[in-house]
Amino acid sequence: QVQLQESGPGLVQPSETLSLTCAVSGYSISSDYYWGWIRQPPGKGLEWIGSFYHGGSPYSSPSLKSRVTISLDTSKNQFSLKLSSATAADTAVYYCARHRWGSSGNFDYWGQGTPVTVSS
Amino acid sequence: SYVLTQPPSVSLAPGETARITCGGSNIGRKSVHWYQQRPGQAPVLVIHYDSDRPSGIPERFSGSNSGNTATLTISRVEAGDEADYYCQVWDTSSDHYFVFGPGTRVTVL
Repeated sequence: QVQLQESGPGLVQPSETLSLTCAVSGYSISSDYYWGWIRQPPGKGLEWIGSFYHGGSPYSSPSLKSRVTISLDTSKNQFSLKLSSATAADTAVYYCARHRWGSSGNFDYWGQGTPVTVSS
Repeated sequence: SYVLTQPPSVSLAPGETARITCGGSNIGRKSVHWYQQRPGQAPVLVIHYDSDRPSGIPERFSGSNSGNTATLTISRVEAGDEADYYCQVWDTSSDHYFVFGPGTRVTVL
C-alpha cells in the first residue's frame, strides 16, 4: 500500500522559507510516477503547487514558480518543498501526492496533510 | 488559464441522487477527475478519466463528461457522502497544468 506522510514546521515567520518533506512508503519515488504538492488555504479549495519526476525537471504553478523549489531524495524515498519569502497568503494545509503527468494526471495517493501558518 | 465552475452547494435527503456539475470550455475533450474531501481529511479520488471508479469506490459513484459540462452522480446518497467534491483537469494552455474546480459542498439532510 502506497503511503505518504508530510512533515515540517507548523509555524513559519513572514519572509522566511517554508520547508516541508514528504516521506513515501510502499512505492519507490524513482519509479514511474510524478510526486507533487497541493495546498488548501483555510476554508478554500485546492491549488496545485508543483511536481517532480525522477530524472526529469520540476514543474510548478506559474503563480508560485519564482518561489518554489521541489527536490527528490531517492536514498530516503522522500521529496521536499521549499517556498521562499512566505507571507500570510501561504497559510494553508499542504498535501503531498502521487500522480501521472498529462491528461491521465490524477492524484491517486495523498498524504494526510500538514497545516502551516505564516505569522510572527 | 482554464477555469472550472461548480455549484457551491447541493443539499439532499438520504436515498436521493446527487448530481454535481463541473463546467469548462469544451471540457468534454478533457479527462475529468473527481475527489471527495470529508471534513478534516485529505481528498480521495472517487472518479478518474470521466467515468471510471478506482478500486474500493462504491458503484453508487459515477461520472459523465460531454460538451461543456462534466457530472459526478452519487446515487442513493448516504450520510457518509457528506463532503466537498472537487473536479480536476489537465490543461497546458497557461502552464497551470493541474486545474481544480472551486468545490461543491454536499449536505445530506
